[in-house]
Amino acid sequence: DIQMTQSPSSLSASVGDRVTITCQASQDISNYLNWYQQKPGKAPKLLIYDASNLETGVPSRFSGSGSGTDFTFTISSLQPEDIATYYCQQYDNLPPMSTFGQGTKLEIK
Amino acid sequence: QVQLQESGPGLVKPSQTLSLTCTVSGGSISSGSYYWSWIRQPAGKGLEWIGRIYTSGSTNYNPSLKSRVTISVDTSKNQFSLKLSSVTAADTAVYYCARVSHFNYGSGSYLTSHWYFDLWGRGTLVTVSS
Repeated sequence: DIQMTQSPSSLSASVGDRVTITCQASQDISNYLNWYQQKPGKAPKLLIYDASNLETGVPSRFSGSGSGTDFTFTISSLQPEDIATYYCQQYDNLPPMSTFGQGTKLEIK
Repeated sequence: QVQLQESGPGLVKPSQTLSLTCTVSGGSISSGSYYWSWIRQPAGKGLEWIGRIYTSGSTNYNPSLKSRVTISVDTSKNQFSLKLSSVTAADTAVYYCARVSHFNYGSGSYLTSHWYFDLWGRGTLVTVSS
């Protein structure tokens, strides 16, 4: 099974800060990596698919990069409404399977 | 717009079978290139993918749950369902249904398949307790 290591597990930052979260796969997953935002009591929301593609309607301050085993999720300028837990999600096709990272809880400093 | 809504008992006894249904509204479950999936989240913990189904009835399951899981679809009712047997307290979680957007790039030996969860239900809490 492919393991995903997401870091940090929690993060405190100020409004306007650049925030970076990383996700590392235990083996090469190409670009099969998506990112989600989950606010308290709500369902997750897709932000980035295939490592770097911004989902329609998602603000451009969110971005993703990486390929292979190392991936990065960035918020270029943190806004108060970005307070949430962020998850990476890898998927495979042989056979179809998916695993989420442990999550990063983002708080305002 | 398309919406998903989970329904089912909020309390299940240990060793019994958990049964949930996801109703798709605002569009046909058969339209487009979508799979339909179940994902769960224990309180205060991360997300776990349970499995997915295509409207043809083709299924894929998480190996860690495969022996206890059945996902089915009823296109006439625009619904898909989850059954999880022999439940224990460890199965207590919020259960989400989700739409899986799926597309292919390339062809032949260069074909790659891509998917992601682009639409989620609100989730339903299922507690396993006697």
